[in-house]
Amino acid sequence: VQLVQSGAEVKKPGSSVKVSCMASGGPLSDHSFTWVRQAPGQGLEWMGHIFPILGIANYAQKFQGRVTITADKSTGATYMELSSLTSADTAVYYCAYGDQIPSTACEFWGQGTLVVVSS
Amino acid sequence: QSVLTQPPSVSGAPGQRITISCTGSWSNIGAKYDVHWYQQLPGAAPKLLLSGHNNRPSGVPDRFSGSRSGTSASLAISGLQIEDEADYYCQSYDSGLSGAVFGGGTKLTVV
Repeated sequence: VQLVQSGAEVKKPGSSVKVSCMASGGPLSDHSFTWVRQAPGQGLEWMGHIFPILGIANYAQKFQGRVTITADKSTGATYMELSSLTSADTAVYYCAYGDQIPSTACEFWGQGTLVVVSS
Repeated sequence: QSVLTQPPSVSGAPGQRITISCTGSWSNIGAKYDVHWYQQLPGAAPKLLLSGHNNRPSGVPDRFSGSRSGTSASLAISGLQIEDEADYYCQSYDSGLSGAVFGGGTKLTVV
């Protein structure tokens, strides 16, 4: 499975960003997409995941109300939109592909999308 | 403060064996949820190293192995090689948080 993400973004504080991720080479059913971010020099942070066939998304409590993860079953794409951006949201955002269970591993990863939030 | 606790750094000489611990609680590792391990080389995306019950994806050498006991898990790397220098992360599911959690990461230096 290959995951290709959209390009880098520079955003103003208070705005929103939407990152896309296109999967190919694998089944488009019975799988999940997970979004993980990594701030500069920091560790990995789980943001949430979606089960495309079920249409169910779950989010980390930290991002509740500010993040929306969607998926297009027909194209194999997933999207992560984060609103009310601050400088603390400057990070590389990764999408990952796994099984359709909450405790799934992130088997395949996208290349990452750098989002810089700066005035 | 990560839900799963890892040592910030470990080091070893080429050929040696090292272990990286991942300490959780009864709502994640202790609840018998799968523990997964990732390797992140400098400037690269993370890569799955081990999943669940010691399952290695294709291409991952058997020098990498995992174990667990109670509320903790460990990653062991035997026959250390220079190219093993990387950051390593554990991941599990937390029932209290209703989501996945990562450890803070461990930087492995091969000296």
